[in-house]
Amino acid sequence: GEDVEQSLFLSVREGDSSVINCTYTDSSSTYLYWYKQEPGAGLQLLTYIFSNMDMKQDQRLTVLLNKKDKHLSLRIADTQTGDSAIYFCAGSRISSGSARQLTFGSGTQLTVLP
Amino acid sequence: GAVVSQHPSWVICKSGTSVKIECRSLDFQATTMFWYRQFPKQSLMLMATSNEGSKATYEQGVEKDKFLINHASLTLSTLTVTSAHPEDSSFYICSAIGVAGHQETQYFGPGTRLLVL
Repeated sequence: GEDVEQSLFLSVREGDSSVINCTYTDSSSTYLYWYKQEPGAGLQLLTYIFSNMDMKQDQRLTVLLNKKDKHLSLRIADTQTGDSAIYFCAGSRISSGSARQLTFGSGTQLTVLP
Repeated sequence: GAVVSQHPSWVICKSGTSVKIECRSLDFQATTMFWYRQFPKQSLMLMATSNEGSKATYEQGVEKDKFLINHASLTLSTLTVTSAHPEDSSFYICSAIGVAGHQETQYFGPGTRLLVL
């Protein structure tokens, strides 16, 4: 099955850029996602990228996909204190019921320092 | 956008009792819903896939007789933790698949925190 790995912690200063990295093993993953989880809350979809894309930009968020290395990154420009949260990358696969199942990485705790 | 709700948001129960958690898709129909469990400082682990009108598909290592799933309608799936024990204390998150345009997306509920004493 899919294996998704992330570094556990990242600290940045407010106003700097944050880069959160993720590696995955299943090259058949058609979509790759970034989710944000604030304390005690569910997951909020931030952005996703289709496997035939190299880059996707959405306001302060930039996703880069290196299919050869199976490496995904999320860059947050001008990081704010409200960006402090756990960020999960996830790959999708088709389940036995033909619905997409997500495999999550371990999550990266982003701490934004004032 | 699509919204998924869960009820209750938190529950405390005695060991040996059963707890039911509801997951609802509020403005869309979801033929498929997923139940995840998240232990502190850990990632989400898929427990089961719930399909409307049929039996749920459980992941390896998840006891189907302990975690009963019912997906009786296109907007509601329930997870019942039977005879709960302290080791079942966790954060349970459901998600539902919705379609926006031609894009299929999983929308997550806010989670239910279960504490078994």
